[in-house]
Amino acid sequence: GENVEQHPSTLSVQEGDSAVIKCTYSDSASNYFPWYKQELGKRPQLIIDIRSNVGEKKDQRIAVTLNKTAKHFSLHITETQPEDSAVYFCAPYILTGGGNKLTFGTGTQLKVEL
Amino acid sequence: DVKVTQSSRYLVKRTGEKVFLECVQDMDHENMFWYRQDPGLGLRLIYFSYDVKMKEKGDIPEGYSVSREKKERFSLILESASTNQTSMYLCASSLSLTGEYGYTFGSGTRLTVV
Repeated sequence: GENVEQHPSTLSVQEGDSAVIKCTYSDSASNYFPWYKQELGKRPQLIIDIRSNVGEKKDQRIAVTLNKTAKHFSLHITETQPEDSAVYFCAPYILTGGGNKLTFGTGTQLKVEL
Repeated sequence: DVKVTQSSRYLVKRTGEKVFLECVQDMDHENMFWYRQDPGLGLRLIYFSYDVKMKEKGDIPEGYSVSREKKERFSLILESASTNQTSMYLCASSLSLTGEYGYTFGSGTRLTVV
């Protein structure tokens, strides 16, 4: 998406390892930072989000960290399992440039290998 | 308990045809969105609506129009379908324009223009 970059585009890890996906954005006014997961053939679903007044949020094996100064936020998945295999999208809320909407990144294909 | 319903899962249309993609939500959400999803490009916003009869252009509105006559229904219209509009189309609705509380997506319509 415009002004949103997501890396890497593909990621392959062994089951049990950790995975990290990074999202950079350009709008310093952005204040809401969600991550969506899309399993093969299914619809995207919100898995975790963070607001700008918080630096980190955890939910079981997933966490999101935010660095507002550097304008990036990351998704961390620990103890990866086969069911974590999916495409992950960051979608920061962009206010400038005719925004006022979520702007999705291009996605990261995560494959968890047995 | 499907909350966002897209009328067709698969659709094949001929070049030049007028195409209607329908989306209905039963969550009484004010905000509705149409995205197209292409490999390597993520989800790109076509149009969105924050109220009945209101519409805003997204990032790639060219070749598309929308209609929101009732709160629960948001239609995407391809005035004259072209092969470069072959894609997966996803409808979404949300309680807030900022995306907090999440976007709820439909199952998608895979449109092929021949």
